[in-house]
Amino acid sequence: DAKTTQPNSMESNEEEPVHLPCNHSTISGTDYIHWYRQLPSQGPEYVIHGLTSNVNNRMASLAIAEDRKSSTLILHRATLRDAAVYYCILRGGSNYKLTFGKGTLLTVNP
Amino acid sequence: GAVVSQHPSWVICKSGTSVKIECRSLDFQATTMFWYRQFPKQSLMLMATSNEGSKATYEQGVEKDKFLINHASLTLSTLTVTSAHPEDSSFYICSATWTGTGNEKLFFGSGTQLSVL
Repeated sequence: DAKTTQPNSMESNEEEPVHLPCNHSTISGTDYIHWYRQLPSQGPEYVIHGLTSNVNNRMASLAIAEDRKSSTLILHRATLRDAAVYYCILRGGSNYKLTFGKGTLLTVNP
Repeated sequence: GAVVSQHPSWVICKSGTSVKIECRSLDFQATTMFWYRQFPKQSLMLMATSNEGSKATYEQGVEKDKFLINHASLTLSTLTVTSAHPEDSSFYICSATWTGTGNEKLFFGSGTQLSVL
C-alpha cells in the first residue's frame, strides 16, 4: 500500500488559515488523494479528494504538488469546530480500500 | 448528502454474549462496505471489506469466525461480535461506498462503542 506521512500534531488560532501537509512519495498514477477528519467519539467525515489538480469545496482546499508526491489541506479560516484528527489517505487503482495512518491532530486555540 | 446510519451507538454486554451492529446506507445503494475498529488514541484499523451478496474479505489477523459480517442487501451490512470478551471492547465504525474505485468518497457511520464486562 502506498503510504502517507503527516505531522503528529499541529496548532492553530481561531480565524487563521491552517495548512496541513502530507507526503506520499510512493503514490501511483491511479491513486486519488483523500482527506478525512475525525472528531472525538465520531466516525470520520469526508473533507476533500483530488487526483492531480487543486480542488476546492465548501470545507477546504486541496493543493497537490506537480509531482503528486505531496499535498496540503488548507482550512481557510479555522474554527473551534475544526479541531479534529485529519487523515491523508491514498485510494484507488488496485487498492480501493481506505487505510488510515495516524493522522494529524489539529488543535484550534480560541 | 449521503448518510450512513450505524446502530447502536453504544452497547454494554456480558462476556461470552454476542453483539450485532447494523450499518445502513440511507439514500444510496452501497455495493461495498468496510468495517473498522478503533482503540483509544489509536487510528482506525480496517477489519474487513464486504461486498453485497458475497463473502466478506477479512484483513490479516482478524478472526472471521469471531467477527461475522453479513451484507445481504445493498443498504445493510451487519457485524456480529460473537462470544465477546473484554479485549473486544472498542469503537467499531462502518463505512459505505457505491463503487470500488478511488474516485468517490466514503461515508462513515457514527460508530458503536462496545464495552464487554
